Amino acid sequence: GAGVSQSPRYKVAKRGQDVALRCDPISGHVSLFWYQQALGQGPEFLTYFQNEAQLDKSGLPSDRFFAERPEGSVSTLKIQRTQQEDSAVYLCASSLEWLAQTGGELFFGEGSRLTVL
Amino acid sequence: AQSVTQLGSHVSVSEGALVLLRCNYSSSVPPYLFWYVQYPNQGLQLLLKYTSAATLVKGINGFEAEFKKSETSFHLTKPSAHMSDAAEYFCAVSDLQGAQKLVFGQGTRLTINP
Repeated sequence: GAGVSQSPRYKVAKRGQDVALRCDPISGHVSLFWYQQALGQGPEFLTYFQNEAQLDKSGLPSDRFFAERPEGSVSTLKIQRTQQEDSAVYLCASSLEWLAQTGGELFFGEGSRLTVL
Repeated sequence: AQSVTQLGSHVSVSEGALVLLRCNYSSSVPPYLFWYVQYPNQGLQLLLKYTSAATLVKGINGFEAEFKKSETSFHLTKPSAHMSDAAEYFCAVSDLQGAQKLVFGQGTRLTINP
């Protein structure tokens, strides 16, 4: 596709369930980012990949959060044993190269809205 | 560390009126500054950016922003609001060199009154 694609768009999980959120970046984009956006807040950085290498995971809130990008294209964000505070929109963004080379422009998907009951 | 503060979570203006969305930043290194816009049910998209060239930056849809180092500000303006400008606007800062990430403000929801 032409843009960043995320699925599912909406996910309702019971507390304690595991969830997996998928991101399909723009073809050829080597940088991939995950952000978490709580209701009424701005996006907060979770993690960053350069191709298949996860170079920064400093924003992951706990060890229940895990992200991978095994072949350097599609990425999956996994949340284990979901808690109510995990309810948020999870945004994926991609960039052609390092931010310094692209002038910081990120291309965002529409997000996956997770509701934990 | 870098941070962004957007003054006003909601701004409402009349169609045809001036739009002013405020953003102040904190950065220990020369900042790169961005405005992103999020229309309902869409992803964020880049509106404009400041990357150390001209301090007055023009973006899409008639928006512009001015980098003022002395005031640590990067306010977004548009001379005449249009109904289609109704959206959520996010200011962001990055150093583009170290951590490969943008730090976003909490957002300002812009409402346009007919």
